[in-house]
Amino acid sequence: DAGVTQSPTHLIKTRGQHVTLRCSPISGHKSVSWYQQVLGQGPQFIFQYYEKEERGRGNFPDRFSARQFPNYSSELNVNALLLGDSALYLCASSWGSGRTEAFFGQGTRLTVV
Amino acid sequence: KQEVTQIPAALSVPEGENLVLNCSFTDSAIYNLQWFRQDPGKGLTSLLLIQSSQREQTSGRLNASLDKSSGRSTLYIAASQPGDSATYLCAVFDYKLSFGAGTTVTVRA
Repeated sequence: DAGVTQSPTHLIKTRGQHVTLRCSPISGHKSVSWYQQVLGQGPQFIFQYYEKEERGRGNFPDRFSARQFPNYSSELNVNALLLGDSALYLCASSWGSGRTEAFFGQGTRLTVV
Repeated sequence: KQEVTQIPAALSVPEGENLVLNCSFTDSAIYNLQWFRQDPGKGLTSLLLIQSSQREQTSGRLNASLDKSSGRSTLYIAASQPGDSATYLCAVFDYKLSFGAGTTVTVRA
Protein backbone atom coordinates (compact mmCIF):
# COMPACT_ATOMS: atom_id res chain seq x y z
CA ASP A 1 0.00 0.00 0.00
CA ALA A 2 1.19 3.52 -0.76
CA GLY A 3 2.05 5.69 2.20
CA VAL A 4 1.44 9.41 2.47
CA THR A 5 2.63 11.11 -0.71
CA GLN A 6 3.56 14.76 -1.02
CA SER A 7 4.39 16.82 -4.06
CA PRO A 8 6.60 18.44 -5.05
CA THR A 9 9.58 17.19 -3.02
CA HIS A 10 11.55 20.41 -3.47
CA LEU A 11 10.83 23.85 -4.81
CA ILE A 12 12.36 27.28 -4.87
CA LYS A 13 10.21 30.41 -4.87
CA THR A 14 10.84 34.15 -4.80
CA ARG A 15 9.64 36.44 -2.01
CA GLY A 16 6.09 37.60 -2.62
CA GLN A 17 5.11 34.62 -4.75
CA HIS A 18 2.41 32.06 -4.01
CA VAL A 19 2.94 28.32 -3.50
CA THR A 20 0.67 25.26 -3.42
CA LEU A 21 1.75 22.04 -1.76
CA ARG A 22 -0.15 18.78 -2.21
CA CYS A 23 -0.73 15.71 -0.07
CA SER A 24 -2.41 12.37 -0.68
CA PRO A 25 -3.22 10.45 2.52
CA ILE A 26 -3.05 6.72 3.03
CA SER A 27 -6.05 5.01 1.47
CA GLY A 28 -8.90 4.93 3.96
CA HIS A 29 -7.55 7.78 6.09
CA LYS A 30 -9.90 10.73 6.43
CA SER A 31 -7.74 13.15 8.40
CA VAL A 32 -4.91 15.24 7.00
CA SER A 33 -2.74 17.61 9.01
CA TRP A 34 -0.01 20.02 7.93
CA TYR A 35 3.15 20.87 9.87
CA GLN A 36 6.05 23.24 9.29
CA GLN A 37 9.53 22.19 10.38
CA VAL A 38 12.31 24.75 10.50
CA LEU A 39 15.86 23.39 10.61
CA GLY A 40 16.83 22.22 14.08
CA GLN A 41 13.32 22.39 15.51
CA GLY A 42 10.38 20.07 15.91
CA PRO A 43 7.43 20.35 13.52
CA GLN A 44 4.83 23.04 14.26
CA PHE A 45 1.11 22.45 13.65
CA ILE A 46 -0.50 24.49 10.87
CA PHE A 47 -3.88 22.87 10.04
CA GLN A 48 -5.96 19.76 10.53
CA TYR A 49 -8.76 18.67 8.22
CA TYR A 50 -11.14 15.81 8.91
CA GLU A 51 -13.94 14.79 6.59
CA LYS A 52 -13.24 17.89 4.50
CA GLU A 53 -13.77 20.30 7.37
CA GLU A 54 -11.15 22.34 9.19
CA ARG A 55 -10.81 20.94 12.70
CA GLY A 56 -7.86 22.92 13.97
CA ARG A 57 -5.54 25.75 13.09
CA GLY A 58 -2.15 26.60 14.54
CA ASN A 59 -0.61 29.98 15.18
CA PHE A 60 0.15 30.90 11.57
CA PRO A 61 -0.83 34.07 9.66
CA ASP A 62 -3.77 34.24 7.27
CA ARG A 63 -1.32 33.93 4.37
CA PHE A 64 -1.55 30.19 5.09
CA SER A 65 -4.68 28.38 3.96
CA ALA A 66 -5.63 24.80 3.19
CA ARG A 67 -8.44 22.63 1.98
CA GLN A 68 -9.37 18.98 1.73
CA PHE A 69 -11.01 17.46 -1.31
CA PRO A 70 -13.75 14.78 -1.55
CA ASN A 71 -11.06 12.12 -2.13
CA TYR A 72 -9.41 13.30 1.16
CA SER A 73 -6.31 14.69 -0.55
CA SER A 74 -5.29 18.14 0.61
CA GLU A 75 -3.59 21.32 -0.52
CA LEU A 76 -1.66 23.85 1.55
CA ASN A 77 -1.45 27.33 0.06
CA VAL A 78 0.91 30.07 1.16
CA ASN A 79 0.57 33.60 -0.24
CA ALA A 80 3.04 36.48 -0.25
CA LEU A 81 5.99 34.26 0.62
CA LEU A 82 8.57 35.51 3.09
CA LEU A 83 12.14 34.31 3.58
CA GLY A 84 11.03 32.92 6.94
CA ASP A 85 8.62 30.55 5.23
CA SER A 86 11.59 28.46 4.09
CA ALA A 87 11.11 25.10 5.80
CA LEU A 88 10.20 21.45 5.40
CA TYR A 89 6.41 21.14 5.11
CA LEU A 90 5.08 17.84 6.35
CA CYS A 91 1.72 16.23 5.79
CA ALA A 92 0.32 13.62 8.16
CA SER A 93 -2.65 11.34 7.69
CA SER A 94 -4.60 9.35 10.23
CA TRP A 95 -7.67 7.17 10.15
CA GLY A 96 -9.76 9.02 12.68
CA SER A 97 -9.93 12.63 13.79
CA GLY A 98 -6.39 12.46 15.12
CA ARG A 99 -6.47 10.20 18.15
CA THR A 100 -5.07 7.35 16.11
CA GLU A 101 -1.53 6.86 14.84
CA ALA A 102 -0.28 9.61 12.53
CA PHE A 103 1.74 8.72 9.44
CA PHE A 104 3.87 11.34 7.73
CA GLY A 105 4.93 11.90 4.16
CA GLN A 106 8.49 12.65 3.06
CA GLY A 107 7.83 16.37 3.10
CA THR A 108 8.20 19.26 0.69
CA ARG A 109 11.36 21.34 1.09
CA LEU A 110 10.44 24.98 0.31
CA THR A 111 13.20 27.52 -0.18
CA VAL A 112 12.22 31.19 -0.50
CA VAL A 113 14.89 33.46 -2.02
CA LYS B 1 -0.02 25.78 25.95
CA GLN B 2 1.61 22.34 25.69
CA GLU B 3 5.40 22.37 25.92
CA VAL B 4 7.40 19.26 25.01
CA THR B 5 11.06 18.94 25.99
CA GLN B 6 13.55 16.29 24.96
CA ILE B 7 16.77 15.70 26.82
CA PRO B 8 19.53 15.27 25.82
CA ALA B 9 19.60 17.22 22.54
CA ALA B 10 22.35 14.93 21.24
CA LEU B 11 23.79 11.58 22.20
CA SER B 12 26.74 9.56 20.91
CA VAL B 13 27.23 5.93 21.95
CA PRO B 14 29.29 2.94 20.80
CA GLU B 15 27.53 0.17 18.94
CA GLY B 16 25.82 -2.33 21.22
CA GLU B 17 25.06 0.10 24.02
CA ASN B 18 21.44 0.64 25.09
CA LEU B 19 19.90 4.05 24.36
CA VAL B 20 17.63 5.97 26.74
CA LEU B 21 15.80 9.00 25.34
CA ASN B 22 13.67 11.23 27.53
CA CYS B 23 10.60 13.30 26.76
CA SER B 24 8.61 15.52 29.11
CA PHE B 25 5.39 17.47 28.57
CA THR B 26 3.64 20.12 30.63
CA ASP B 27 -0.06 19.31 30.17
CA SER B 28 -1.14 15.77 31.07
CA ALA B 29 -4.50 16.09 29.25
CA ILE B 30 -3.35 14.12 26.22
CA TYR B 31 -4.94 11.36 24.15
CA ASN B 32 -1.71 9.68 23.16
CA LEU B 33 2.04 10.03 22.73
CA GLN B 34 3.94 9.02 19.65
CA TRP B 35 7.67 8.49 19.02
CA PHE B 36 9.09 9.20 15.57
CA ARG B 37 12.40 8.77 13.82
CA GLN B 38 13.66 11.35 11.31
CA ASP B 39 16.63 10.89 9.01
CA PRO B 40 18.34 14.08 7.72
CA GLY B 41 16.12 16.00 5.30
CA LYS B 42 13.44 13.31 5.37
CA GLY B 43 9.94 12.90 6.73
CA LEU B 44 8.96 11.28 10.01
CA THR B 45 8.69 7.53 10.53
CA SER B 46 6.33 6.41 13.28
CA LEU B 47 8.00 4.10 15.80
CA LEU B 48 5.52 3.63 18.62
CA LEU B 49 2.14 4.99 19.69
CA ILE B 50 1.12 4.88 23.35
CA GLN B 51 -2.49 5.63 24.20
CA SER B 52 -3.05 7.71 27.34
CA SER B 53 -4.47 4.66 29.16
CA GLN B 54 -1.35 2.58 28.48
CA ARG B 55 1.87 2.46 30.47
CA GLU B 56 4.18 1.08 27.82
CA GLN B 57 4.46 -0.19 24.27
CA THR B 58 7.05 -2.46 22.67
CA SER B 59 8.18 -3.11 19.12
CA GLY B 60 11.25 -5.24 18.53
CA ARG B 61 14.26 -3.56 20.17
CA LEU B 62 12.17 -0.51 21.05
CA ASN B 63 10.26 0.00 24.27
CA ALA B 64 8.48 3.19 25.29
CA SER B 65 6.97 4.01 28.65
CA LEU B 66 4.43 6.68 29.55
CA ASP B 67 3.75 8.27 32.94
CA LYS B 68 0.96 10.70 32.13
CA SER B 69 0.59 12.02 35.66
CA SER B 70 4.22 13.15 35.81
CA GLY B 71 4.30 14.20 32.16
CA ARG B 72 7.12 11.87 31.10
CA SER B 73 7.92 9.28 28.48
CA THR B 74 11.09 7.31 27.88
CA LEU B 75 12.16 5.51 24.72
CA TYR B 76 14.58 2.62 25.19
CA ILE B 77 16.48 1.18 22.23
CA ALA B 78 18.29 -2.04 23.05
CA ALA B 79 21.63 -3.07 21.57
CA SER B 80 22.06 0.01 19.37
CA GLN B 81 23.33 -0.31 15.79
CA PRO B 82 24.87 2.28 13.44
CA GLY B 83 21.58 2.20 11.48
CA ASP B 84 19.84 3.62 14.55
CA SER B 85 21.64 6.93 13.98
CA ALA B 86 18.91 9.52 13.42
CA THR B 87 16.90 12.20 15.22
CA TYR B 88 14.17 10.87 17.50
CA LEU B 89 11.13 13.05 18.14
CA CYS B 90 8.35 12.60 20.64
CA ALA B 91 4.94 14.20 20.18
CA VAL B 92 1.83 14.39 22.35
CA PHE B 93 -1.67 14.64 20.93
CA ASP B 94 -4.45 16.71 22.48
CA TYR B 95 -6.23 18.16 19.44
CA LYS B 96 -2.94 18.37 17.50
CA LEU B 97 0.55 16.89 17.74
CA SER B 98 2.96 18.99 19.79
CA PHE B 99 6.58 18.01 19.19
CA GLY B 100 9.81 18.26 21.09
CA ALA B 101 12.93 19.46 19.26
CA GLY B 102 14.31 15.93 19.16
CA THR B 103 17.35 13.98 20.30
CA THR B 104 20.01 13.40 17.64
CA VAL B 105 21.59 9.99 18.13
CA THR B 106 24.91 8.84 16.70
CA VAL B 107 25.86 5.19 17.09
CA ARG B 108 29.58 4.66 16.49
CA ALA B 109 30.70 1.42 14.84
